[in-house]
Amino acid sequence: EDKVVQSPLSLVVHEGDTVTLNCSYEVTNFRSLLWYKQEKKAPTFLFMLTSSGIEKKSGRLSSILDKKELFSILNITATQTGDSAVYLCAVEGGSQGNLIFGKGTKLSVKP
Amino acid sequence: EAEVAQSPRYKITEKSQAVAFWCDPISGHATLYWYRQILGQGPELLVQFQDESVVDDSQLPKDRFSAERLKGVDSTLKIQPAELGDSAMYLCASSLAASGAYEQYFGPGTRLTVT
Repeated sequence: EDKVVQSPLSLVVHEGDTVTLNCSYEVTNFRSLLWYKQEKKAPTFLFMLTSSGIEKKSGRLSSILDKKELFSILNITATQTGDSAVYLCAVEGGSQGNLIFGKGTKLSVKP
Repeated sequence: EAEVAQSPRYKITEKSQAVAFWCDPISGHATLYWYRQILGQGPELLVQFQDESVVDDSQLPKDRFSAERLKGVDSTLKIQPAELGDSAMYLCASSLAASGAYEQYFGPGTRLTVT
């Protein structure tokens, strides 16, 4: 069965800290891995990763994929209270080529 | 900036009643998805459309759920009869095409509470 596992499930840090969120997967017919940020409404797109070892970066956020070890990490440096959200990892693949989501990591950034 | 529109944003219904949700994707997006997200879980795909055709509805509980996209633009998801376990956020997403090269854009969702 295809699955995406995120860890930790929740995390509390203070402003200025650096955090690393993990996503491991066992998905057949892998096509891509995506990270989303979800506040109180719909997920918003952060990154799409298709190749191993190539870091994607956007401001204080960065992500990298390891297709050999089947995982990805999302780094957030100098965290701010506005980073508080659920971060979802999704892998496109499986028999239907759909997005398979993990349960998410709930990040809380305290002032 | 173009967005995926959904309505209603919130719906409270009693079990055994019928409910319907509407989604209008970003203009030009051929692929439309309906997801269900239970609190504390990631979204799970219910149905995927390519234009007006269903591409994947393997996870749709067809005894009570139905979805249509008659003109290949907006879409309706219906539940009849609703059950307590259907309480969840129903998300609609769209993309230019059904491929790993195109990101999915999500609408604001409809939060359903079944009492």
